[in-house]
Amino acid sequence: DTVLTQSPALAVSPGERVTISCRASESVSTLMHWYQQKPGQQPTLLIYLASNLESGVPARFSGSGSGTDFTLTIDPVEADDTATYYCQQSWNDPLTFGSGTKLEIK
Amino acid sequence: EVKLVESGGGLVQPGRSLKLSCAASGFSFNDYWMGWVRQAPGKGLEWIGEINQDSSTINYTPSLKDKFTISRDNAQNTLYLQMSKLGSEDTAIYYCASVYYDGTYYYEGVMDAWGQGASVTVSS
Repeated sequence: DTVLTQSPALAVSPGERVTISCRASESVSTLMHWYQQKPGQQPTLLIYLASNLESGVPARFSGSGSGTDFTLTIDPVEADDTATYYCQQSWNDPLTFGSGTKLEIK
Repeated sequence: EVKLVESGGGLVQPGRSLKLSCAASGFSFNDYWMGWVRQAPGKGLEWIGEINQDSSTINYTPSLKDKFTISRDNAQNTLYLQMSKLGSEDTAIYYCASVYYDGTYYYEGVMDAWGQGASVTVSS
C-alpha cells in the first residue's frame, strides 16, 4: 500500500502562513487530495487533484505538488482553521490516507 | 442540498454482524460512485471501499475484503455496508461519502460529500 507521511502537529498564530506536507512512499502522480476535519465533525474536501480548490473553500487554501511530495498551504491562517488535515491518494490501489496533521491556532 | 445520513450503528458483540445504511438525498444518487470510510477512536481515516453506479464494480481495501460487503439500492437512494465477524478493531465511526462528479468527469477516489457518521462499538 502507498504510505502517506504527514507531520503530526503544527501550531501557528492567526495571520501567518502555514504549509502542511504530505510525502508518498511511491509516486501518486497528481492524484492527491486534502481534507479538513474539525473536532467532532466529518471530513470535508478542500483540494482535489493536488491543486484544485473545491467549490466553496476559501482561496486562503491552496495545494501543490506532484509525484511524491505535496503541500497544503493556508495563507493567512484564521482561528477557524483549527482542525486535522488529511492527505489522501487515489493513484494506487488501495486508496490511502495520511495519518493527519493537527493544526493548532495559538 | 446534498445530504448523506448513516444509520444502523450501535453496540455489537464480537463475532457478530451489523449492516449500516446511508440514505442519500439532494442529488441524483444513481449517477454517483459511493464509498465508505471509517475512523477508529482518536485515529485517522481508513478507506473501506467504493461501488459504482450499477454495482458492477466494487473495490475494497484488501484487509477488509473478506469481512465487509458494500451494496446499494438505487430505487431507495441507499448505500449499505454489511460487516461480519466483527472484532474490537472494527470499533469506529463509519462514514459514507459520494465520489466527486462534475457532470462530465468522475474523479475517482475524491470524496466530496460526507455523512455525519455512524458509531459502531464492538464489545461484549
